[in-house]
This record gives sequence, C-alpha cells and structure tokens, in this order.
Amino acid sequence: EPEVTQTPSHQVTQMGQEVILRCVPISNHLYFYWYRQILGQKVEFLVSFYNNEISEKSEIFDDQFSVERPDGSNFTLKIRSTKLEDSAMYFCASSDLSRTGELFFGEGSRLTVL
Amino acid sequence: SQQGEEDPQALSIQEGENATMNCSYKTSINNLQWYRQNSGRGLVHLILIRSNEREKHSGRLRVTLDTSKKSSSLLITASRAADTASYFCATVTNNAGNMLTFGGGTRLMVKP
Repeated sequence: EPEVTQTPSHQVTQMGQEVILRCVPISNHLYFYWYRQILGQKVEFLVSFYNNEISEKSEIFDDQFSVERPDGSNFTLKIRSTKLEDSAMYFCASSDLSRTGELFFGEGSRLTVL
Repeated sequence: SQQGEEDPQALSIQEGENATMNCSYKTSINNLQWYRQNSGRGLVHLILIRSNEREKHSGRLRVTLDTSKKSSSLLITASRAADTASYFCATVTNNAGNMLTFGGGTRLMVKP
C-alpha cells in the first residue's frame, strides 16, 4: 500500500540552527501538508501546498518556515533558525484530487531543539 | 473552546466492550474526519462523514454527525486490545480550504 515517508525520524539540533525535514508524499497525490504536534498537545496545521505554491498557511508558519518541492517526489519543510518552542513532532501528509478528503500522514519527524 | 473538542479525554474499557467518543465543533463544516494515532506514531485516517450525512459505518466503527448540535460521535464496537490508541476528530470547514483542524483527542485504553 502506498505510504508517505518522512526523514529523519528524529533530529536533535541546537537553537539557532537550520533544519530541513523531508517527506516523500504518495506519488499520484497533488496536495501536500505539514502539521506539527507539540508533546501532549493538539495536532496543528502549518501549511498546505498545491501546484508548486503555498495554498494556505497558519499563524505558526512565520518567516522562519519555508516549504519546497525541489523535484517530482520530495516535499521539504525548512526551519531557518530553530527555537526551543519548535520542538515537536512534524507530520507530512498528502491527499489526492479531493482537497477536502482524506489525508495520508507519514510517521512523523521528531525535532528536539536544545 | 477551539474547533474540534473530544470528550472524554481518556477512556478505559475492557476488551469486548463498546467505546464511544464524542467531538464538538464551533463553525460550519464541509466534513468531519476521525483519525487514530498509536503512541509515537503517525495519524491514520479512519472514516470521513460529510455535512449532509448523519451516520456512517466502517467495520466495527460507527460515526454519527449532528450538524444542528455541531457534534459527532465515534463508536467502536467489540473493542480489542489493539484498539488502544488516541482518537482525534478533525474538521474541514467550508471556508478553510483544505486545512484540517484537530481536536485534543481521546486516549482509549482497552484492557485485555
């Protein structure tokens, strides 16, 4: 069964460092998303991406965050200068033509900022 | 409270019993979805119910939606130990494009 894959599964970084989280969405999907879940809290929407541009973003997704689809398969989330409060599990998701339908999530990348 | 709040926050039952989780939301929705998350793992889609639907079944899952009360329930029948997980409702609102808004989740423990 096709799945969304994310790397790395866990990354530890120093405050102020840049981090890139990578995702390979399901191949025939057209909508891509990043969500995050701070330990013990709700899953929060960060950004959605369609047709090579951001279609929607939340207040969390400030200038420190960026997304990119550098080739036909990868979808990346970059945090330019990490803060302690960026420590969370980051989930990538993708969906097919139906943008209001089911999302397929990856297993997540745990980011720990020290 | 925010869009998508689950009740109860935690539920502990014996294997074989039914588990019912509730979700309330604030604004008009396009659809409501339920997801499951095993500890430390990703979210797995369980079922989607559209705003014009009232009930939906999938295997041992039954979801209801009451748009007049802005609430939904997820019923897991004949629970198994493997059903132990956190369950989240998530809404897609009419004006929010393709963004899912998640609730805080219900932690379900099914004891063998």
